[in-house]
Amino acid sequence: GDSVTQMEGPVTLSEEAFLTINCTYTATGYPSLFWYVQYPGEGLQLLLKATKADDKGSNKGFEATYRKETTSFHLEKGSVQVSDSAVYFCALTEDTGRRALTFGSGTRLQVQP
Amino acid sequence: EAQVTQNPRYLITVTGKKLTVTCSQNMNHEYMSWYRQDPGLGLRQIYYSMNVEVTDKGDVPEGYKVSRKEKRNFPLILESPSPNQTSLYFCASSLEAGELFFGEGSRLTVL
Repeated sequence: GDSVTQMEGPVTLSEEAFLTINCTYTATGYPSLFWYVQYPGEGLQLLLKATKADDKGSNKGFEATYRKETTSFHLEKGSVQVSDSAVYFCALTEDTGRRALTFGSGTRLQVQP
Repeated sequence: EAQVTQNPRYLITVTGKKLTVTCSQNMNHEYMSWYRQDPGLGLRQIYYSMNVEVTDKGDVPEGYKVSRKEKRNFPLILESPSPNQTSLYFCASSLEAGELFFGEGSRLTVL
C-alpha cells in the first residue's frame, strides 16, 4: 500500500536559517503530494501541493518539488521565522473514490530567536 | 468564514459510555471525513462520506460509527469506547481530492 516517510524530529533551527524537511513516498500509481502544517492547538492546514511530476508547490516562502525519479517531495524554506514553529506533515493521495490522504508521522520544527 | 467545527474539543470518559463527537462544515462540501492522530503514526482515516447517506470505512473503522443525514453534519459515534480509542480526532471536509479543511480537533481520553 501507499506510505509516506518523513525525517524524524524535532528539527531545531535559529531564525533566518535554511530549512529542509525530507519526505519520500511509496505509491502504486501517480499520487498527488501535499504538505500540511499544524500549529499548536489547531487543526491541520494545507500548506502546498503538487499534482504531477516536476511540479513545484509553493506558499508563504515554502516550496517543494515533486520528484518522481527519487519519489521525494522535500519541503524547503530559505529563511525560517519563529512563527514557522509547528508540526509539518507530508501526505499523498491517489485518485480513488475514498480520497483518503496517507500521512507521514509529522516533523516538529522549532525555530529559536 | 469557512470553517469546520467540532465539539467537544476535550472529553474524558469511561470505558463503555457511549459518546458522540459532532462535526459541522459551512462550505457546502459533499465530502467529509474523520481522522485520528496518534504520536508517531500521523493521521489515519476512520470513516468518510461522499455525500448525504453515503458513508464508508477508512483505514481504522473498528469501534466507530458515523452518519450523514445532512450535508453539513458528520458525527462520529463511539458506541462503547475503550482505552485504545484515546486519541486526537479530526473532522475534515473537502471540495477537491487531497485539499482537506480540518476542524480544530477533539481530544478524547477513555479511562
